[in-house]
Amino acid sequence: QSALTQPASVSGSPGQSITISCTGTSSDVGGYNYVSWYQQHPGKVPKLMIYGVSDRPSGVSNRFSGSKSGNTASLTISGLQADDEADYYCTSYTSSTTYVFGTGTKVTVL
Amino acid sequence: QVQLQESGPGLVKPSETLSLTCTVSGGPITTYYWSWIRQPPGKGLEWIGYIYYSGTTNYNPSLKNRVTMSVDTSKNQLSLKLSSVTAADTAVYYCARALGSLPYMDVWGKGTTVTVSS
Repeated sequence: QSALTQPASVSGSPGQSITISCTGTSSDVGGYNYVSWYQQHPGKVPKLMIYGVSDRPSGVSNRFSGSKSGNTASLTISGLQADDEADYYCTSYTSSTTYVFGTGTKVTVL
Repeated sequence: QVQLQESGPGLVKPSETLSLTCTVSGGPITTYYWSWIRQPPGKGLEWIGYIYYSGTTNYNPSLKNRVTMSVDTSKNQLSLKLSSVTAADTAVYYCARALGSLPYMDVWGKGTTVTVSS
């Protein structure tokens, strides 16, 4: 299975909104509403930010939102803050009943 | 709250078998799916596979021939074995709890670094 495709980097200024894309195929992202997103600060453990395409776990800021269109899922961070600077990974369930991660996106707050 | 702790040798020789244990504390190992994920230095996350408390497993196709996962409910422990390792298997290895058989890992261990080198 091939990794989902994410942009290597996305940047924005404090207060702005940014969107990270996650492109797969009809056998993963496009075929199921089972996409999740993780935030990983340098040297830290990944944290679940979004599951089920657009649901937020308890405690995750509503500045984080998820969506999907066709084979591409997206994570939007609104009101960008310094602490949002991290790596972000999408994950999807696949038709082989396995999981596949995205290539990862480094978010920089200018 | 639930905590996960990975443990095992930090150094493994090429062609040997990597063996790790994940100890679950503060909550039950039953009724959950448990995943292993790894991250090579400076690279992204890779899902290795999951195991259900009943012993049902599902592995990444690219690693399937070398991976074995097991669970010991009496000890609240999970184990990962990866055979015939090479330098490409050098990574931080995480265990994580999943919400159902879906890629929603809500609790992660701190990870353990494994280096493959002679």
